[in-house]
Amino acid sequence: EVLLVESGGGLVKPGGPLRLSCVASGFNFSEYTFNWVRQRPGKGLEWVASIGPRGRSLDYAEALRGRFVVSRDNLKNTLFLNVSEVMTDDTAVYFCATEVWDFWGRGTLVTVS
Amino acid sequence: QSVLTQSPSASGTPGQTVTISCSGSSSNIGSHYVYWFQQVAGSAPRLVMFRNRQRPSGVPDRFSGSKTGTSASLVISAVRPEDEADYFCVAWDNTLTGLWAFGGGTKLTVV
Repeated sequence: EVLLVESGGGLVKPGGPLRLSCVASGFNFSEYTFNWVRQRPGKGLEWVASIGPRGRSLDYAEALRGRFVVSRDNLKNTLFLNVSEVMTDDTAVYFCATEVWDFWGRGTLVTVS
Repeated sequence: QSVLTQSPSASGTPGQTVTISCSGSSSNIGSHYVYWFQQVAGSAPRLVMFRNRQRPSGVPDRFSGSKTGTSASLVISAVRPEDEADYFCVAWDNTLTGLWAFGGGTKLTVV
């Protein structure tokens, strides 16, 4: 069974750092590109970043480039999303998902306050 | 402001056919595949259509997709109460450095 499980959310103070993780299982993690997506309260989905299989191909939403950094550890089947200097506007549920959107995690809620 | 445009709401009675539309441009829908998601309140999105018109396994054949030019549609035939959810479209957009462009979502109410 394919599983993606996000963690690392919670209450974060403005200006602080944030590190989210997404652990994958049930498939060959190192062969796939992944996306991070967020959903602010009561809002739609917003693509955040993508990372290629080897971690060399990186794409970011233009408005988030610089503060958001995506990485991965293929030995641990884990994705990471690092956010520097979080802002209240970063309050959202953060999801990881496969490249073609067929599998999603349940998300982790980040509240910046 | 979402890159792809969706009507905020749609509704239907059980058994009716409902169409949810997604409008974009030549840099996204016009040149790339469209994907559709269903999101029930409080849950993760679920893929219900990929590559414009292909259904993942487990999605009822009441769901169908199409694309014409810079617009795409998700059609739900014989809509059921359990179809009530938010529906989002997404397509790759090759402007600037490239990005995945989402629609703002359509809330389907089955009354």
